[in-house]
Amino acid sequence: GAVVSQHPSRVICKSGTSVKIECRSLDFQATTMFWYRQFPKKSLMLMATSNEGSKATYEQGVEKDKFLINHASLTLSTLTVTSAHPEDSSFYICSARGQVTGELFFGEGSRLTVL
Amino acid sequence: GENVEQHPSTLSVQEGDSAVIKCTYSDSASNYFPWYKQELGKRPQLIIDIRSNVGEKKDQRIAVTLNKTAKHFSLHITETQPEDSAVYFCAAPIMEYGNKLVFGAGTILRVKS
Repeated sequence: GAVVSQHPSRVICKSGTSVKIECRSLDFQATTMFWYRQFPKKSLMLMATSNEGSKATYEQGVEKDKFLINHASLTLSTLTVTSAHPEDSSFYICSARGQVTGELFFGEGSRLTVL
Repeated sequence: GENVEQHPSTLSVQEGDSAVIKCTYSDSASNYFPWYKQELGKRPQLIIDIRSNVGEKKDQRIAVTLNKTAKHFSLHITETQPEDSAVYFCAAPIMEYGNKLVFGAGTILRVKS
């Protein structure tokens, strides 16, 4: 199946700093990628849809200035958590839809800890 | 109600027994119903999916059934094994969200050996 790679897998940062997470589709092109946030023992909550060449669309309640999304190419989307605070600590996962079956493939996830 | 409801939240079964997880959805136009398995700290992986033009699909020990009239679908795992222990999520595309997949709350399955 298609492969989606996410980096870094773990990051620890100080409060007030910004953190960038990358999501790459390794063997296919993805005009659309999705970013989710997952709290411990909770479900995947869609944060935003990343669109190649245009602005991301954010779900209700997600601050677009806090979570900056850039989809610069057909294989790369980035999520930047700006001015991170401890409450931003979470597991962030990206996904992309495979071109053949339309199946959703997930990245490995990035665990962010803000001290 | 919730767009996608999933039950139970936790399920413990003895090795070899069957496990059933149920989901209901709100959007009658939904036409694709995947099930994902997520092990601790890892990415969700698709284990089986079904489209609205069929009522049942089976893949070895895993099966999914769909009742479009009642708007619910179920995951069935037979002859459970310890490695089946994980969190399982159902999902359905909901028009209210631009037909994006909305995930159920998840079911923690524990298979006791």
